[in-house]
Amino acid sequence: AQSVTQLDSHVSVSEGTPVLLRCNYSSSYSPSLFWYVQHPNKGLQLLLKYTSAATLVKGINGFEAEFKKSETSFHLTKPSAHMSDAAEYFCVVRRDGSGNTGKLIFGQGTTLQVKP
Amino acid sequence: DTEVTQTPKHLVMGMTNKKSLKCEQHMGHRAMYWYKQKAKKPPELMFVYSYEKLSINESVPSRFSPECPNSSLLNLHLHALQPEDSALYLCASSHPPVSDTQYFGPGTRLTVL
Repeated sequence: AQSVTQLDSHVSVSEGTPVLLRCNYSSSYSPSLFWYVQHPNKGLQLLLKYTSAATLVKGINGFEAEFKKSETSFHLTKPSAHMSDAAEYFCVVRRDGSGNTGKLIFGQGTTLQVKP
Repeated sequence: DTEVTQTPKHLVMGMTNKKSLKCEQHMGHRAMYWYKQKAKKPPELMFVYSYEKLSINESVPSRFSPECPNSSLLNLHLHALQPEDSALYLCASSHPPVSDTQYFGPGTRLTVL
């Protein structure tokens, strides 16, 4: 079955240090991949989306992700963490063959803690 | 503007009450979604409306009744809920066939007593 695996349930970094949130996916086709962020008691905000135009995708707030087909990975990075980055992050893939109103498959989420 | 609005922000209801959640978007999106999210878990899809027609129902109990009166508005009618239905209810919209990106609202925090 198609899946998304976020390899770390919890990541802790110090403010000003790099962030790496890891995601592996399974897909039979060229996938639609997303990263969303959710701050406490808020909705999900789109950080970035992979559209096959480029393997390195730049998102909002300094985040970027690299699509590696050979490794079926879509890891999220940021050069320097800010306290406001503390949140839950979801890696998401659109279910194969489900079309533009299709189902999203969510990873279990990674909680990012940023220490002062 | 990629804003989806939801009202109310918080809702407390008894098991015999009838209430409704409302979602609105003015981006011209023709697909709208309801998700349920429990604490520390990813969202779970409940319903999808495409061009105002129900296209996906994820075997949701009949005590949840969706409605899409027009292309901008999505309601979720609640009746005879159980305490385990307490959760964050998220609405999202997307713009088929142009894009599959879903934009989420801030959610309604529902507590069933």
